[in-house]
Amino acid sequence: DAGVTQSPTHLIKTRGQQVTLRCSPKSGHDTVSWYQQALGQGPQFIFQYYEEEERQRGNFPDRFSGHQFPNYSSELNVNALLLGDSALYLCASSFAGRDTQYFGPGTRLTVL
Amino acid sequence: AQTVTQSQPEMSVQEAETVTLSCTYDTSENNYYLFWYKQPPSRQMILVIRQEAYKQQNATENRFSVNFQKAAKSFSLKISDSQLGDTAMYFCAFMPPGGTNAGKSTFGDGTTLTVKP
Repeated sequence: DAGVTQSPTHLIKTRGQQVTLRCSPKSGHDTVSWYQQALGQGPQFIFQYYEEEERQRGNFPDRFSGHQFPNYSSELNVNALLLGDSALYLCASSFAGRDTQYFGPGTRLTVL
Repeated sequence: AQTVTQSQPEMSVQEAETVTLSCTYDTSENNYYLFWYKQPPSRQMILVIRQEAYKQQNATENRFSVNFQKAAKSFSLKISDSQLGDTAMYFCAFMPPGGTNAGKSTFGDGTTLTVKP
């Protein structure tokens, strides 16, 4: 049973660029949530996708957007990258989005 | 808005001993879930234990158990017979299953636990 997978593992971008991160949920899960984790801090909720729609959103600017595909996989897009966007981006999947979440290994984004 | 506070940034314990990590939270919700996650240096966030707020019985998973005090909004994690592999950052998390914030999880800032041989 495959767990949550994310790609790429690491990414280096420069300020102003755009980035796309990808996530495949655990088998049987239909909901994907995205988190930003700065070094030494807890994950901060970005948004959650269920039935191909954004259902919940945290306090993140519109530069952060996402998408969910019919197979439940998801993308996180960040436009106009800032130095402060450097972080570990975690994807978590769950069933119906209202119970236990299982996390992927994360994507480390560095903005130079 | 929900908040989760972990007041112990760092803790250490000798191998085979018992350690308790603290977590308090603030919410106006009556029904919710609480979780403890472990994040080793490899960075994969791993679920340790889950508690449903409407269940009075404290959750237990092998060497891990919680002390859930709903009135006090406290949710501590006890690790018994600590092992070197327990060395990691531990996060307490809160999630309401319903209401306007359904599915929106809030995490504490974590406690770094070091198990010493």
